[in-house]
Amino acid sequence: AQTVTQSQPEMSVQEAETVTLSCTYDTSESNYYLFWYKQPPSRQMILVIRQEAYKQQNATENRFSVNFQKAAKSFSLKISDSQLGDTAMYFCAFMKKTSGTYKYIFGTGTRLKVLA
Amino acid sequence: DAGVIQSPRHEVTEMGQEVTLRCKPISGHNSLFWYRQTMMRGLELLIYFNNNVPIDDSGMPEDRFSAKMPNASFSTLKIQPSEPRDSAVYFCASSLDRGLRRKETQYFGPGTRLLVL
Repeated sequence: AQTVTQSQPEMSVQEAETVTLSCTYDTSESNYYLFWYKQPPSRQMILVIRQEAYKQQNATENRFSVNFQKAAKSFSLKISDSQLGDTAMYFCAFMKKTSGTYKYIFGTGTRLKVLA
Repeated sequence: DAGVIQSPRHEVTEMGQEVTLRCKPISGHNSLFWYRQTMMRGLELLIYFNNNVPIDDSGMPEDRFSAKMPNASFSTLKIQPSEPRDSAVYFCASSLDRGLRRKETQYFGPGTRLLVL
């Protein structure tokens, strides 16, 4: 069975600093997708970044980048130049599709607080 | 595009009442997902549809929950009868499925906060 683990329930970072959120997953699949979602206090889920497992290059989206280590089954999110608006819950998610069925699994989340 | 639209945004009801949550996916998307989020259980996938057909409903907690997608632009999640333990935020998400290698990301709606008294 697939699992997604976020070992840091809470983190804080000073504004303008860099922070890394960790995520590990367990799967026997070779083709899958990984995502980071952000959930601000408004509770809406917002896609931050995604990574296709067959791509070796780490995905980047402006201040957000990932360190994807397929062999280690690790998918950490780095936020550079942290901003107050980055304060939110961050969820790591795994997705694969087999036999026409999707499987989405979310981690338990990391609550990030950016300090002024 | 307006994004995924959910209604109502907030719902307070009494135990035993029927609750219907509504979702309008992003136009052109062919997959629709219903999630439930609670502090205790985190984010759980309840059911998803592909081309209006329910593909996997293994996450639906029990027979009190049902979901329909009568057309590509509308889906409902119904709880009948509702119970206090159903209190949660219910999210709808949609995506465009063009095969795994061209899988588009899920886009979430704002969620419906349900409180069952």
